[in-house]
Amino acid sequence: EVQLVESGGGLVQPGGSLRLSCVASGFTFSSYSMNWVRQAPGKGLEWISYISSSSSAIYYADSVKGRFTISRDNAKNSLFLQMNSLRAEDTAVYYCARADYEIGFDYWGQGTLVTVSS
Amino acid sequence: DIQMTQSPSTLSASVGDRVTITCRASHSISTWLAWYQQKPGKAPKLLIYKASTLENGVPSRFSGSGSGTEFTLTISSLQPDDFATYFCQQYNTYSATFGQGTKVEIK
Repeated sequence: EVQLVESGGGLVQPGGSLRLSCVASGFTFSSYSMNWVRQAPGKGLEWISYISSSSSAIYYADSVKGRFTISRDNAKNSLFLQMNSLRAEDTAVYYCARADYEIGFDYWGQGTLVTVSS
Repeated sequence: DIQMTQSPSTLSASVGDRVTITCRASHSISTWLAWYQQKPGKAPKLLIYKASTLENGVPSRFSGSGSGTEFTLTISSLQPDDFATYFCQQYNTYSATFGQGTKVEIK
């Protein structure tokens, strides 16, 4: 069974940093591209970052470019999101999602809540 | 970036109704479009990919159509479990943008 489990969310002050993790199981992690998607309270879904299976291609949404860094460790079946210079508008549930070229985002984690507030 | 526009933003319907949600892309995305269902407090669930292919296990009352810039999601006979929010998503590019969502409410 495919599982994605995020962790690392919490309350952080504006300007602070947080590192999210997503541990994958039930599939060959190193064969799939991965994404981070966030959802602000009561709002829609916002794609924020993509990483290819070998980390050779990385993309960010303009809203997080220069502040967030996506990475992965295929040996540990893990995806990461380093978030720096956090702002109130970064408050959201953050999801990791597996990407399939043909299908889209076929598996999602349960999400981890990040709250940026003083 | 490709913008995705969904309509309506809210839809009130009754059990048994036929429901249609529309999604428009700002540029052609061929059939690289997915539909997701999301319930409160839960992650999105993939329903349809490549505009019209039903994901495994999704009931056949769900269907998708379209190509290029115009797409639709249809629920042929709304069931109690279908009251949720639905999002379209283009994955023609790496920046896989979503529509703003359509909330299907009980009438």
